[in-house]
Amino acid sequence: DGGITQSPKYLFRKEGQNVTLSCEQNLNHDAMYWYRQDPGQGLRLIYYSQIVNDFQKGDIAEGYSVSREKKESFPLTVTSAQKNPTAFYLCARRDRGHSNEKLFFGSGTQLSVL
Amino acid sequence: AQTVTQSQPEMSVQEAETVTLSCTYDTSENNYYLFWYKQPPSRQMILVIRQEAYKQQNATENRFSVNFQKAAKSFSLKISDSQLGDTAMYFCAFDSGGSNYKLTFGKGTLLTVNP
Repeated sequence: DGGITQSPKYLFRKEGQNVTLSCEQNLNHDAMYWYRQDPGQGLRLIYYSQIVNDFQKGDIAEGYSVSREKKESFPLTVTSAQKNPTAFYLCARRDRGHSNEKLFFGSGTQLSVL
Repeated sequence: AQTVTQSQPEMSVQEAETVTLSCTYDTSENNYYLFWYKQPPSRQMILVIRQEAYKQQNATENRFSVNFQKAAKSFSLKISDSQLGDTAMYFCAFDSGGSNYKLTFGKGTLLTVNP
């Protein structure tokens, strides 16, 4: 799994409901990311976190919230303020090394609205 | 803000042939990183190849190679001896490096390898 696990694989949200997507990494990496993927849109950055208890908004943060209380966990909450939440959500960890920085992605969560 | 453009929404190639996917980007940075990611039907994002802008030599990974033209801000991916398992969405991505490391993706090219 590349050291990063997302759950659940599929998630359904009712109108007005908040839902939380889980992302866990077991390789002690500092930086983690959330991307949203829509058909024909590529990946767009929602939030990212470089260290525990700190995170920054990406390009499409409105309607989403995150927390980073532990290094290994970076959950994403899709709030009721996000009016178009149906999408594929990908979490990633940053693999750092000399001349070797890159992102490794989880297997994703498909969120749909009931 | 950096932008990444993939001008070919879809491409197809016959098995065992060679195909090139195009990518251009816009940046004022001098040092940065470029990536190609592959997303098969399973939707798992897989890193294909990585290029550092300060390196003049084009990166290669087995059947995958890039043509990096820094002045033209072009970063194409060549797949040689195409295999059925290469069928996937391919995304070009850019990172400016530094402390705020984050990837900006193109919209992708759907590559179909035909038997």
